Amino acid sequence: QVTLRESGPALVKPTQTLTVTCTFSGFSFTTTGMCVSWFRQPPGKALEWLALIDWDDDKYYRSSLKTRLTISKDTSKNQVVLTMTNMDPVDTATYYCARILRSAYDYHDYWGPGTLVTVSS
Amino acid sequence: SSELTQDPAVSVALGQTVTITCQGDSLRSYYTTWYQQKPGQAPVLVIYGQNKRPSGIPDRFSGSSSRNTASLTITGAQAEDEADYYCYSRDSTGNQYVFGTGTKVTVL
Repeated sequence: QVTLRESGPALVKPTQTLTVTCTFSGFSFTTTGMCVSWFRQPPGKALEWLALIDWDDDKYYRSSLKTRLTISKDTSKNQVVLTMTNMDPVDTATYYCARILRSAYDYHDYWGPGTLVTVSS
Repeated sequence: SSELTQDPAVSVALGQTVTITCQGDSLRSYYTTWYQQKPGQAPVLVIYGQNKRPSGIPDRFSGSSSRNTASLTITGAQAEDEADYYCYSRDSTGNQYVFGTGTKVTVL
């Protein structure tokens, strides 16, 4: 059974760095083609893709946020970590992680429930 | 800003058919995926690879695509289909993933 769960602070102050962790089970980065992405969704707004890390430790970032984002993985712990620097109130959102197994169809199939992060002083 | 455009909202009578569209140049080159999202919940995959349904998704959901437009059709809409629906694909560079603006489906 594939599961993912996000964890992190519910509240961060402006200019601080956010660190959110995705802990998963039921799959592994030892599988060729396995990847995990991070997404976010501001309240009442559309979903946004943020970053992806693959089984080979290649990393991809949303171009508009590239300078602020870092994605990493710990294969032994089945975790993926996203850091976002210089947080601003506009970064208030629910942050999700999801799995994607690379194929021609290119879709994220399993998602975590999300974690709401509020940026406020 | 998103490169995939959807109508903001549509409504459908219970048991009738509704089609949601998603337009974007990248859809000429990349497969479209559709997600259903209910309030306070994570997105749920309903269509991938343009027209394939994951196991557990009712066959009243179907997908199609032509040129730069992808469509999601709900045939015989049920009350539980009331949700936001997002299309998703790669952007025109192929290096990033992009979501549509979302369509709120109301079942009357």
